[in-house]
Amino acid sequence: GAGVSQSPSNKVTEKGKDVELRCDPISGHTALYWYRQSLGQGLEFLIYFQGNSAPDKSGLPSDRFSAERTGGSVSTLTIQRTQQEDSAVYLCASSLSKREMNEQFFGPGTRLTVL
Amino acid sequence: AQSVTQLDSHVSVSEGTPVLLRCNYSSSYSPSLFWYVQHPNKGLQLLLKYTSAATLVKGINGFEAEFKKSETSFHLTKPSAHMSDAAEYFCVVSGSGNTPLVFGKGTRLSVIA
Repeated sequence: GAGVSQSPSNKVTEKGKDVELRCDPISGHTALYWYRQSLGQGLEFLIYFQGNSAPDKSGLPSDRFSAERTGGSVSTLTIQRTQQEDSAVYLCASSLSKREMNEQFFGPGTRLTVL
Repeated sequence: AQSVTQLDSHVSVSEGTPVLLRCNYSSSYSPSLFWYVQHPNKGLQLLLKYTSAATLVKGINGFEAEFKKSETSFHLTKPSAHMSDAAEYFCVVSGSGNTPLVFGKGTRLSVIA
């Protein structure tokens, strides 16, 4: 079956503009995660959705970042008033919800470049 | 709080020689541990995972890792490196359930012909 998909694969924007990044998780996966991978910072957690529960936003770096998940499936990460330090690869992952440890399946990422 | 430390940012081996990528973890409870691999311009792929069953875990492509609680280590090994193993490797820790993963900084593996 299809894996996690993300769009666009690449996004170049000007400083100050808003961007939206999209993630389509694997069908049936109730947990969805956003991570950011940047040079010098490694891979860092941003936000996590689990079913209908309130999202865990503890990893969002500033209030310019927000995310939503409509209908328990597709998610959109929005970055307002982009800054050059937002340049990174944004990764989405999804997993089944079950008691034992889940495997998170990652999408190919969206490479964001802020000029 | 949980964390992982990958002791080497870059490891270089000759093709056909053993691979050792080191990882130490810190966790306040029994952790779940993973190794992910990321090839250039590709997504992250799970190599193997430890979830409190056997301490020696076998993964894909001939990789394996041993969970050593006394040493808080989860080193990744492979008996014989192949050119296609050149990639970035991440040691990852997580708590129970669907909690977010905590990634190490990564180790870049180079394989020399």
